[in-house]
Amino acid sequence: DIVLTQSPLSLPVTPGEPASISCRSSQSLLDTTGNNYLHWYLQKPGQSPQLLIHLTSNRASGVPDRFSGSGSGTEYTLKIRRVQAEDVGVYYCMQALQAPYTFGQGTKLDIK
Amino acid sequence: QVQLVQSGPEVKKPGASVKVSCKPSGYTFTDYHMNWFRQAPGQGLKWMGWVGPKRGDTIYAQNFQGRVTMTRDTSTRTFYMELRGLTSGDTAVYYCARDWAYRGFDLWGQGTTVTVSS
Repeated sequence: DIVLTQSPLSLPVTPGEPASISCRSSQSLLDTTGNNYLHWYLQKPGQSPQLLIHLTSNRASGVPDRFSGSGSGTEYTLKIRRVQAEDVGVYYCMQALQAPYTFGQGTKLDIK
Repeated sequence: QVQLVQSGPEVKKPGASVKVSCKPSGYTFTDYHMNWFRQAPGQGLKWMGWVGPKRGDTIYAQNFQGRVTMTRDTSTRTFYMELRGLTSGDTAVYYCARDWAYRGFDLWGQGTTVTVSS
């Protein structure tokens, strides 16, 4: 199985400041189509997960442009340009290159 | 309104089975595969498998092989996930999520809490 390792696991952020989460994969998530099969999800407190970023860098519908994703191969990053109070929750990276689809451990973002 | 509505909470005894339903609305039932996940208390997300809406084909995570069955009913346009031989380790919130092809899971159910306790 592909193992995803996120860092940090806890991320206290001052509102208005930037934040960055790293996701490292045990093998490349780049396939022959040129796509990196890495997605990002946010699970807000008490809610179901929601898709933030698909295929490394594409924001899902309705996701603010302060969220951005980048990376390739085995290294990926989610950035929030200016954190807002509504961004609190647990962020997960997930690989969809091969079954079983696997998630990182999650990064808990909270407000300082 | 595009949504996935799951069945209500369940309490089961060890060794029993549970069947969770997931009913899509607001989109064409046969256009998307349905995936199932679970999240144990205080833990992360774990993918369990998927079921195709047209043929009912399935792929299961090896961890659940032999204990899980994912089905769909095209007449009622509902998906199901049945898990057998429950133990306390199966206590979790179970989610269904629509598979947006290779672009991730873009629509999630509200979750169904399954508690296994003697």
